[in-house]
Amino acid sequence: GAVVSQHPSWVICKSGTSVKIECRSLDFQATTMFWYRQFPKQSLMLMATSNEGSKATYEQGVEKDKFLINHASLTLSTLTVTSAHPEDSSFYICSASGLAGSQFFGPGTRLTVL
Amino acid sequence: GNSVTQMEGPVTLSEEAFLTINCTYTATGYPSLFWYVQYPGEGLQLLLKATKADDKGSNKGFEATYRKETTSFHLEKGSVQVSDSAVYFCALAPGAGGTSYGKLTFGQGTILTVHP
Repeated sequence: GAVVSQHPSWVICKSGTSVKIECRSLDFQATTMFWYRQFPKQSLMLMATSNEGSKATYEQGVEKDKFLINHASLTLSTLTVTSAHPEDSSFYICSASGLAGSQFFGPGTRLTVL
Repeated sequence: GNSVTQMEGPVTLSEEAFLTINCTYTATGYPSLFWYVQYPGEGLQLLLKATKADDKGSNKGFEATYRKETTSFHLEKGSVQVSDSAVYFCALAPGAGGTSYGKLTFGQGTILTVHP
């Protein structure tokens, strides 16, 4: 199946700093990428949907100025957590969807904010 | 809005036991239904799907039938293996079939552990 990678797989940062997470589709062109957040023992919550070359659409309650999403190419989307705080600590997962519509998920990025 | 409810876990079984993980949903219209599996250290993988009522999705010995009358999509396997140990997520997407796989709504996940 199609492969989606995320980088880094885990990151620890200080409160107030910004962190960038990359999501890449390795062997297909992703017209749409999705960003999810997963809390321990809880489900994945969709944060935003991004289409290549256009602004991301954020779900209700997600601060777009805090979680900056860029989808500049058909193989790369980035999520930047700005001015991170401990409550932003979570597991962030991306998925990518091509023309066929099925979503392929990355392995996730564990963010810990001290 | 759409929602998915899965049975509480964790579920612990012996090898070759029968598995059922319940999943019910609330949605408007005719959603597509999915089961995803997450093995330790890996990303979610699509296990099976069904795009309309009475469809049965199947893969790797797992099955689930789209029951519109009971709004359910229970996952079953007749004989589990140790290698089936993983987290299983039920999910739905708006739209019937085709390419409407966007905006997945997930259940909370069920941890399955299978002992030899």
